[in-house]
Amino acid sequence: AQSVAQPEDQVNVAEGNPLTVKCTYSVSGNPYLFWYVQYPNRGLQFLLKYITGDNLVKGSYGFEAEFNKSQTSFHLKKPSALVSDSALYFCAVRDAGNNRKLIWGLGTSLAVNP
Amino acid sequence: NAGVTQTPKFQVLKTGQSMTLQCAQDMNHEYMSWYRQDPGMGLRLIHYSVGAGITDQGEVPNGYNVSRSTTEDFPLRLLSAAPSQTSVYFCASSTGQGASGNTIYFGEGSWLTVV
Repeated sequence: AQSVAQPEDQVNVAEGNPLTVKCTYSVSGNPYLFWYVQYPNRGLQFLLKYITGDNLVKGSYGFEAEFNKSQTSFHLKKPSALVSDSALYFCAVRDAGNNRKLIWGLGTSLAVNP
Repeated sequence: NAGVTQTPKFQVLKTGQSMTLQCAQDMNHEYMSWYRQDPGMGLRLIHYSVGAGITDQGEVPNGYNVSRSTTEDFPLRLLSAAPSQTSVYFCASSTGQGASGNTIYFGEGSWLTVV
């Protein structure tokens, strides 16, 4: 069965430090992987996605994520966190062989402290 | 540059009342969907549509109806509101028929409280 896990409900980092938000997945075929961000009282905004090709994907606002097939992970990273990065982050996966079913993680709340 | 537009943003309903959440997109996307977001449960798919005249159920369709008479609009109807339908609702759209790696675009959300 398809699944996606975000093992940390909350991540706290100091401004200027690197940040990582973790995501692991399980699909039977090749995965399509997505990261979205949700600011308070707003809708979800697309950050980046992995479909194929280079395992390191760069996205909006200086974020990047690395697809690791052996570890079935797609962790979101940023070299230097900003207070404005504080938000809820969602990972999602779609099995390439099951196009319409997108599985969402439960979200990780990122708090960047000044 | 409107994207996906949802109305209303906030609504309070009494148990048993009906209402419609409106959703419109101006990107000519074939695929549209409705999600609800509840604490600790992430996003759950209510209904989706792969084109005008075609709709299907998602994970949690009970108590909700949808229709898709045009490409642009995808309203969500609550037939007889219940407190369990208190939630934040998001409309979303994407190109294609929701397939593969297409990016999903979300509306700003509708906060619904049923008392």
